[in-house]
Amino acid sequence: DIQMTQSPSTLSASVGDRVTITCRASQSIGTWLAWYQQRPGKAPKLFIYKASTLQSGVPSRLNGSGFGTEFTLTISSLQPDDFARYYCQQYSTSLPTFGQGTKLEIK
Amino acid sequence: QVQLVQSGTEVREPGASMTVSCKASGYTFNDYYMHWVRQAPGQGLEWMGWVDPNTGGTDYAQKFQGRVTMTRNTSITTAYMELRSLRSDDTAVYYCARSSPLSGSYYFFDSWGQGTLITVSS
Repeated sequence: DIQMTQSPSTLSASVGDRVTITCRASQSIGTWLAWYQQRPGKAPKLFIYKASTLQSGVPSRLNGSGFGTEFTLTISSLQPDDFARYYCQQYSTSLPTFGQGTKLEIK
Repeated sequence: QVQLVQSGTEVREPGASMTVSCKASGYTFNDYYMHWVRQAPGQGLEWMGWVDPNTGGTDYAQKFQGRVTMTRNTSITTAYMELRSLRSDDTAVYYCARSSPLSGSYYFFDSWGQGTLITVSS
């Protein structure tokens, strides 16, 4: 199984800040990576796929990048709606696996 | 728009079985695999497997082999996930999730059900 490791586990920031979340894969996955946002008590919501393609309706202040084993999700100019938990997921193999999540909280 | 509506919260005793349903609408049900993903309280996301609504074919994560069965009823565009021999560590929210048509060879998920809380407790 491909292990996905996110850092940090928790990130404290303020409205207007720029933040970056990192996701590392235990082996190369090309660009077969998705990012999801999850709010408390809600289902995950797809934000980015193929490492950098924004899902329809996702604001352009979010940016995904990376290839191989290291990936980043950057949010420029944080808005109140952005404070949530984020998960990366690899789909390079028939066994999709997720990172453990990063909680983005208000400082 | 795509909608996945799941059945409600359940409580089960250890050793029992449970079945969660997922009613799909807003797209051609047969065209996209339906997956099941679970999330234990305060934990991350764990993929369990998929069912192909067109053929009924399935693929399960090895961890759940022998304990899980995923099926579908195309006439009512509903997918089902049965988990047997429940243990306390099966307590989780169970989600159905549709494969994106942009997935390529493998799968990411563009639509999710609202989740079903299954509590396993005596």
